[in-house]
Amino acid sequence: TQLLEQSPQFLSIQEGENLTVYCNSSSVFSSLQWYRQEPGEGPVLLVTVVTGGEVKKLKRLTFQFGDARKDSSLHITAAQPGDTGLYLCAGAKVGSGNTGKLIFGQGTTLQVKP
Amino acid sequence: ETGVTQSPTHLIKTRGQQVTLRCSSQSGHNTVSWYQQALGQGPQFIFQYYREEENGRGNFPPRFSGLQFPNYSSELNVNALELDDSALYLCASSLDVGGTNEQFFGPGTRLTVL
Repeated sequence: TQLLEQSPQFLSIQEGENLTVYCNSSSVFSSLQWYRQEPGEGPVLLVTVVTGGEVKKLKRLTFQFGDARKDSSLHITAAQPGDTGLYLCAGAKVGSGNTGKLIFGQGTTLQVKP
Repeated sequence: ETGVTQSPTHLIKTRGQQVTLRCSSQSGHNTVSWYQQALGQGPQFIFQYYREEENGRGNFPPRFSGLQFPNYSSELNVNALELDDSALYLCASSLDVGGTNEQFFGPGTRLTVL
């Protein structure tokens, strides 16, 4: 069962365009992280959000955590070819026995063409 | 500060063989988690080690086992390899269990089972 659904799965855009990636679940998460992964490499942590409604900005990237802590979005303004990669959201679940397990979405492959 | 390192980077095995993958955690981190990432998918949690004890396990059979050493480095062992075990194996370290669950990933070991 995929607890985190990412959309879209694939996105191919021109340099300068804006885009939004969504990460949705019916479950509540205590925190949610966004990663970017290059082919053949490990995921690199971009941001962690922990509070419902929280918005964080990282240069041209804006991350939002839903009020109910069940969903998140990543918005990129004026995309550049260097933004190309696989974007992954990962949530840590609330409740007893929290082992620090991260539940990942299936990822969004972004291609930004010059 | 040294990041997470993994060895080897690539490995080719045949069905039925055994494999050991190694991970050194980031300086100051006492928790190590292992993930399996199939091609085109998000990482799947295998298990986590905290202070040398297993602290949670995902939906993987017992032939996947691990260890954590006093210096917090870790090993992942897989016995009786199957073709479906071919994947990128990722190690992630974190400062502690719980909290925001920020995990920092190594570059991964690409395992191919023939």
